[in-house]
Amino acid sequence: DAGVIQSPRHEVTEMGQEVTLRCKPISGHNSLFWYRQTMMRGLELLIYFNNNVPIDDSGMPEDRFSAKMPNASFSTLKIQPSEPRDSAVYFCASSLGGLIMNEQFFGPGTRLTVL
Amino acid sequence: GENVEQHPSTLSVQEGDSAVIKCTYSDSASNYFPWYKQELGKRPQLIIDIRSNVGEKKDQRIAVTLNKTAKHFSLHITETQPEDSAVYFCAATGNQFYFGTGTSLTVIP
Repeated sequence: DAGVIQSPRHEVTEMGQEVTLRCKPISGHNSLFWYRQTMMRGLELLIYFNNNVPIDDSGMPEDRFSAKMPNASFSTLKIQPSEPRDSAVYFCASSLGGLIMNEQFFGPGTRLTVL
Repeated sequence: GENVEQHPSTLSVQEGDSAVIKCTYSDSASNYFPWYKQELGKRPQLIIDIRSNVGEKKDQRIAVTLNKTAKHFSLHITETQPEDSAVYFCAATGNQFYFGTGTSLTVIP
């Protein structure tokens, strides 16, 4: 298995533009997590899905952020419009099982820079 | 909600010495406590985890202890090596999942 796949690996955009980050979880995993990591705030859980259904989105910073999981093998995190303070590394992770009590496998991350 | 505090934020040890990182949590419903290691520029990876029905777990040079009464758990690394240098995150999971703020460990050769 290739592990969790994220694209793009790097994204540079200008303030106000729409940004879409993509994630393919490990095949067979039914939980998917989106994280944001910055020096100031550390590793923050934004949202997680179980069986394609959003379970907890309390970590989503504001309405500019949205996440979808249309099927078991694909998820997107969208920022619209983007702002410089959104610059961070965004990780996607997946795990097996219906609860959040199993090992999470992280993707390589997307480094987002908003100018 | 859950609040996970992690200490220290930075830690430097001589190669061969032991390192201890401590975390406290507030939600008594938490019952799963993983530890992740993140090397510079890399993704977090699970190194050890413990569930609430166990007080201690060991895997070679790494061990984790859990005190549910006091709501704290600790990571112990013995015989540290330079490749142990990384940021370590604890987490507590009950109905939600929260990472600690991380500990940057430097092992000095």
